[in-house]
Amino acid sequence: SQTIHQWPATLVQPVGSPLSLECTVEGTSNPNLYWYRQAAGRGLQLLFYSVGIGQISSEVPQNLSASRPQDRQFILSSKKLLLSDSGFYLCAWSVGLENEQFFGPGTRLTVL
Amino acid sequence: GIQVEQSPPDLILQEGANSTLRCNFSDSVNNLQWFHQNPWGQLINLFYIPSGTKQNGRLSATTVATERYSLLYISSSQTTDSGVYFCAVELNNNDMRFGAGTRLTVKP
Repeated sequence: SQTIHQWPATLVQPVGSPLSLECTVEGTSNPNLYWYRQAAGRGLQLLFYSVGIGQISSEVPQNLSASRPQDRQFILSSKKLLLSDSGFYLCAWSVGLENEQFFGPGTRLTVL
Repeated sequence: GIQVEQSPPDLILQEGANSTLRCNFSDSVNNLQWFHQNPWGQLINLFYIPSGTKQNGRLSATTVATERYSLLYISSSQTTDSGVYFCAVELNNNDMRFGAGTRLTVKP
């Protein structure tokens, strides 16, 4: 069966520091991968998605970037965090044309 | 862009009651999913339902794509049903849009 991992689970970072969040999927090949952000008490916003290694599409302009160095690995990064980057970051995967998405446990990021 | 509206925004039920959550969307979509976000933030898949009706235990969902809405039914609610329920619609090219959610509280 497929599983999706995210780490760290929680993170507290100062403004201006770099960021690296990792997401890995097991038990499937060639998944579509997604990064979402959820602000407190609100819905999810799609940040990036990837249909293959090195292929990244960005949905909104922002202070963040994404990379997919391996088939089942998706990384969310920032060179300098802003206060507004605080939130709950969720990674998701899907396969095939139906695109039913399954989510990881999330990383709760607080920027101080 | 597409609008995804969920109602009601908040719902408080007594254990054992039934409820209906609604999701309206403003344009044609490729598919629709319902999720339950538990108090720890985990998003749990409930239904993948671009059209038609599905049932899973006490939960069922109906999507009428031609009229651009979906309904989630919860019967005999339990305290463990508490949390936020999201609907999400897929546009073209893997673009998934979420509603703002319905926050459900089930009281014992």
